Amino acid sequence: DGGITQSPKYLFRKEGQNVTLSCEQNLNHDAMYWYRQDPGQGLRLIYYSQIVNDFQKGDIAEGYSVSREKKESFPLTVTSAQKNPTAFYLCASSISRVNTEAFFGQGTRLTVV
Amino acid sequence: LAKTTQPISMDSYEGQEVNITCSHNNIATNDYITWYQQFPSQGPRFIIQGYKTKVTNEVASLFIPADRKSSTLSLPRVSLSDTAVYYCLVGDTNRKLIWGLGTSLAVNP
Repeated sequence: DGGITQSPKYLFRKEGQNVTLSCEQNLNHDAMYWYRQDPGQGLRLIYYSQIVNDFQKGDIAEGYSVSREKKESFPLTVTSAQKNPTAFYLCASSISRVNTEAFFGQGTRLTVV
Repeated sequence: LAKTTQPISMDSYEGQEVNITCSHNNIATNDYITWYQQFPSQGPRFIIQGYKTKVTNEVASLFIPADRKSSTLSLPRVSLSDTAVYYCLVGDTNRKLIWGLGTSLAVNP
């Protein structure tokens, strides 16, 4: 089955530790995105990538880093510099940046204690 | 950036038709209108996308008037499983999408 997979679904980390969230897609999509969602809020764009080895900052990139070494993978690292990392993180992909129809993963709920 | 305004919440009953209207006064010529559905603790799911007039698929219809300053998502004969948050987004190739708070739809038995 084609789709986009995020892992793990739940993640707990101690404050001050970096953590990497996985996102893999087998849809052959060029564009991939990372969003953050806080309780009762809409999605906010962290980073996006339109092609391998290229990515752009979104609206709230501070404290986060990404890489796009393969078309299928777009991991997100939440660094210790992120002041309020506890949130629901969503990865998405679309055929290209021009296509607003995005396919989302099931999300990773990160809790930092 | 294209901003959208939609009701915070709506209530309905099983079997009724639900219409959710979204206002997007500063929509640009190249912008498309897209609707997503999100259940708690899940990623959003694409419902429908349109540019003008009417678009229909197996789950919903999207009505867009000639001035394109608003759009209406129509869900026919809703069921309890349609209880979710519905987001309206406007964007084109190079404009980042703005996700608002969405409309929380509650379908009652």
